[in-house]
Amino acid sequence: DIVMTQTPLSSPVTLGQPASISCRSSQSLVHSDGNTYLAWLHQRPGQPPRLLIYKISNRFSGVPDRFSGYGARTDFTLTISRVEAEDVGTYYCMQATQFPYTFGPGTKLEIK
Amino acid sequence: QVQLHQWGAGLLRPSETLSLTCDISRGSFSGYYWSWIRQPPGKGLEWIGEISQSGGTKYNLSLMSRVSISADTSRNQFSLQLSSVTAADTAVYYCARGGQWQDYWSQGTLVTVSA
Repeated sequence: DIVMTQTPLSSPVTLGQPASISCRSSQSLVHSDGNTYLAWLHQRPGQPPRLLIYKISNRFSGVPDRFSGYGARTDFTLTISRVEAEDVGTYYCMQATQFPYTFGPGTKLEIK
Repeated sequence: QVQLHQWGAGLLRPSETLSLTCDISRGSFSGYYWSWIRQPPGKGLEWIGEISQSGGTKYNLSLMSRVSISADTSRNQFSLQLSSVTAADTAVYYCARGGQWQDYWSQGTLVTVSA
């Protein structure tokens, strides 16, 4: 199985300041079809996860443009340009290049 | 937008079979993959498996001998069965639309396995 790691696991941030989460995979996520199936999800306590980003950098419908994703092969990053109060919660990266699909352990974003 | 509503027993005894159904509203089963994902209390996410519009399935090998995902396209529903459950299967179970990324999720069902 592809192992996904995230750093940091916890991130206290100041409102209005940027935040960045790193995700690393144990092997390249480039699929044989040429796409890289790396997604980012956000989960608030007591809520289901919601999709933010798919295929490294594509924002899902309705996701604010303060969220952006980039990276390649095994190293990926989610950035929030200016953190807002509603951004608290846990962020997961997920790979869907190889079965079984696997998730990172999650990064908990909290406000200082 | 697409809504997913799921139901099934929330409390099981060890060795019983977990059975959950996910109903798709404001959307169609065809044209998409559909997934089941679970989350043990206070822990991270685990992909269980998926079913395609043609009925093809993929499962997490860690569960493969116990898991089955099926669909009833006439009812716009798909289902999860997990046999011989143990306490380790206690989790919130989510159904979701999509295979390689899941864009719509259910609210989830907490399934507790306890004697």
